[in-house]
Amino acid sequence: DAGVIQSPRHEVTEMGQEVTLRCKPISGHNSLFWYRQTMMRGLELLIYFNNNVPIDDSGMPEDRFSAKMPNASFSTLKIQPSEPRDSAVYFCASSPPPGPFEQYFGPGTRLTVT
Amino acid sequence: GENVEQHPSTLSVQEGDSAVIKCTYSDSASNYFPWYKQELGKGPQLIIDIRSNVGEKKDQRIAVTLNKTAKHFSLHITETQPEDSAVYFCAASEGTYKYIFGTGTRLKVLA
Repeated sequence: DAGVIQSPRHEVTEMGQEVTLRCKPISGHNSLFWYRQTMMRGLELLIYFNNNVPIDDSGMPEDRFSAKMPNASFSTLKIQPSEPRDSAVYFCASSPPPGPFEQYFGPGTRLTVT
Repeated sequence: GENVEQHPSTLSVQEGDSAVIKCTYSDSASNYFPWYKQELGKGPQLIIDIRSNVGEKKDQRIAVTLNKTAKHFSLHITETQPEDSAVYFCAASEGTYKYIFGTGTRLKVLA
């Protein structure tokens, strides 16, 4: 079975550019999470979707960050404009119903903003 | 809110020995406690979990114990192998969907 799929795996961009990270959750899962991992702050929850609806976006650091889930099999996390302090590994995770307790993580996208 | 402390931050064991990682949590309402293994360059992998109505759970060489009264839970790995080397994270649920993660334990299994 395919796990959570994320793309790209690595992204290097210059400050001020727009960055879009993509996620395909596990088929049949109805909860989706975006996390950010850094050495200083560990794993931080950015946003949580349930049945494609954003339920909690309190972890989104600034208005420069936005996330969408247009359907059950696709989500995006966009940063515009990007800044060097956004450099981190971004993970997408999904969870099956009735859930959302068991969360299954994707391989992550390593973002470097220069 | 929930706070999770994890110890030790690093742990080195000889191949074949056991490893124990401990976590404490603060919110008595937490009712789900997963453990994740993260290898270099990969995402966290769910390896075992326990719910608050259970005191112990085993899956082959790994086991988790939960003491709700003391608000602590532990991961036990027996007969460690080099491929067990990774960073391990504990987590405690907060509300119905959030996890609060521990700071991680880097386990090194020496051959």
